[in-house]
Amino acid sequence: QVQLVQSGAEVKKPGASVKVSCKASGYTFTSYDINWVRQATGQGLEWMGWMNPNSQNTGYAQKFQGRVTMTRDTSISTAYMELSSLTSEDTAVYYCARAPSAALPGQYYFDYWGQGTLVSVSS
Amino acid sequence: QSVLTQPPSVSAAPGQKVTISCSGSSSNIGNDYVSWYQQLPGTAPKLLIYDSNKRPSGIPDRFSGSNSGTSATLGITGLQTGDEADYYCGTWDSSLSSWVFGGGTKLTVL
Repeated sequence: QVQLVQSGAEVKKPGASVKVSCKASGYTFTSYDINWVRQATGQGLEWMGWMNPNSQNTGYAQKFQGRVTMTRDTSISTAYMELSSLTSEDTAVYYCARAPSAALPGQYYFDYWGQGTLVSVSS
Repeated sequence: QSVLTQPPSVSAAPGQKVTISCSGSSSNIGNDYVSWYQQLPGTAPKLLIYDSNKRPSGIPDRFSGSNSGTSATLGITGLQTGDEADYYCGTWDSSLSSWVFGGGTKLTVL
């Protein structure tokens, strides 16, 4: 069965960076995009960007441009999301989510999600 | 402020039907498919509807989706207490070149 298993909770100081991992299993890792979505406590979902594990092509939401980097290691079927220059506003649960690579942007959707990783930013 | 507008909350009695609206514009819903996600308390979102009206395997036909112009609707019939959750719509916005979500709707089954 398809599974996305994320790394554990992180506590960071303002100005630091965090790198969250997402290990995929149960399907061909390079056949689907990995997206990252975050959710602050009590708030809605916020899309951060996507990565194609095969081509390494990425696309980031404008809000995070210059501050987020999405990478992968195909040998261990793992995707990574690194966010830098953290502030308290970045305190949230971060989710990875799978999406069909072959889909046109208008036909995109997220069919499997990781369990989420809480990132807390506090001095 | 979300690009897609959803009502903050809806409620209905067990066994009844409820609809959740998602209003957008010509650069998103008016031009692309919508997907819907259910988020039970303390859990990750789950795909309910994709391509505006298709259900993934395992999703009961009590859940349905439809589009009309720049709005989309999620319908849930035969409400159960286990349906209490937050529901989000989402789609691609071509003007923003970004995926966008609605603000979410909290469903209460009275």
